Amino acid sequence: VQLVQSGAEVKKPGASVKVSCKASGYTFTGYYMNWVRQAPGQGLEWMGRINPNSGDTDYAEKYQGRVTMTRDTSSSTAYMELRNLRSDDTAFYYCARSGQVVYFDFWGQGSLITVSS
Amino acid sequence: DIVMTQSPDSLAVSLGERATINCKSSQSLLYSSNNQNYLAWYQQKPGQPPKLLINWASTRDVGVPDRFSGSGSGTDFTLTISSLQAEDVAVYYCQQYYSSPPYTFGQGTKLEIK
Repeated sequence: VQLVQSGAEVKKPGASVKVSCKASGYTFTGYYMNWVRQAPGQGLEWMGRINPNSGDTDYAEKYQGRVTMTRDTSSSTAYMELRNLRSDDTAFYYCARSGQVVYFDFWGQGSLITVSS
Repeated sequence: DIVMTQSPDSLAVSLGERATINCKSSQSLLYSSNNQNYLAWYQQKPGQPPKLLINWASTRDVGVPDRFSGSGSGTDFTLTISSLQAEDVAVYYCQQYYSSPPYTFGQGTKLEIK
């Protein structure tokens, strides 16, 4: 199992970012893909998940209206778009696989998103 | 939301000694219908993503050394490293997956060598 994420980006406040996570080594549609973020030197925060089979999503209330998770089953890739970026959105963003029961057995390497004017 | 609180925030242990990290949840993580505790432990080394160590409170993931063990039930859980090795220096997180979203983590415990 491998989850390979897109690279680091620098964005201005108010902009949007779309992070990708390409999965390999397992059946992409058989597991949920979650997104977890970690501000520099801080702890882990679950943002939401997508069922790659159905496209159904669950988002943490904190991100409702500002995040969209999508997937492309043809390329086994999940995406997380975060809009209206603020400086406190500066963080590593990880994709992480889970089953129906949500513990995270495989993680991507992380994508550092820096929000700065 | 279920709040997860770890103690201590940081810990220094001598090589070969036992390290113990505690995790307390704001509500029970024990699901009565299957008698399972919906709690996981992760290890995060500097510059790396987290790694799953233990799920169901006490089941080691594949390849995790047996010096790592998890225990506890309900609201109180413990991660124990029986004989600390240099490569165990990391931050450790507990995570609950009992409730519907959000799935919450403890604040982390930083483990160092004394």
